[in-house]
Amino acid sequence: GAGVSQSPSNKVTEKGKDVELRCDPISGHTALYWYRQSLGQGLEFLIYFQGNSAPDKSGLPSDRFSAERTGGSVSTLTIQRTQQEDSAVYLCASSHYRGTDTQYFGPGTRLTVL
Amino acid sequence: KQEVTQIPAALSVPEGENLVLNCSFTDSAIYNLQWFRQDPGKGLTSLLLIQSSQREQTSGRLNASLDKSSGRSTLYIAASQPGDSATYLCAVRRFFTGNQFYFGTGTSLTVIP
Repeated sequence: GAGVSQSPSNKVTEKGKDVELRCDPISGHTALYWYRQSLGQGLEFLIYFQGNSAPDKSGLPSDRFSAERTGGSVSTLTIQRTQQEDSAVYLCASSHYRGTDTQYFGPGTRLTVL
Repeated sequence: KQEVTQIPAALSVPEGENLVLNCSFTDSAIYNLQWFRQDPGKGLTSLLLIQSSQREQTSGRLNASLDKSSGRSTLYIAASQPGDSATYLCAVRRFFTGNQFYFGTGTSLTVIP
């Protein structure tokens, strides 16, 4: 079946603009995760969804970052008033059960803030 | 806070050689540990998942071991091939901290034909 998909694959924006990144998890996966990978750094956890609720938002770096998930499926990560330090690859992953199963990653969205 | 370290940061080996990648973590109270590979411009591909109660997992030419008490995991790749060239990441999930994975910064592997 289809894997995790993300769109757009690349996004270039100007400082101060808002951006939306989309993630389509594997069908039937109840858990969904967002991560950020900055140049030369490891992956940084942002937020975790179980169904439509987000029990763990501890990784969101500021209140400019928000995410939602609807219908227990698609998730959108929104970054408001983008800054240059937001430039990174944003990765989404899904898994079947909370905390116990393998996470499957999407190809990521490369965000560049000019 | 859980810290995950991978050594070496980069490794270059001739084709056919066996190799070991190392991962260490500071807090032994982990739920599981997962090894991934990341190819340039692509997402992560899961290689092996080891639950905290397990000592090792094997898949084809890959073998991953886990020693929780010492905070270490190794990924053994047998008979390396050029197609194994990628960045290898280990990630640990810690007990009772939600569902965060703590990732290492990876080992960049190049297998020379």
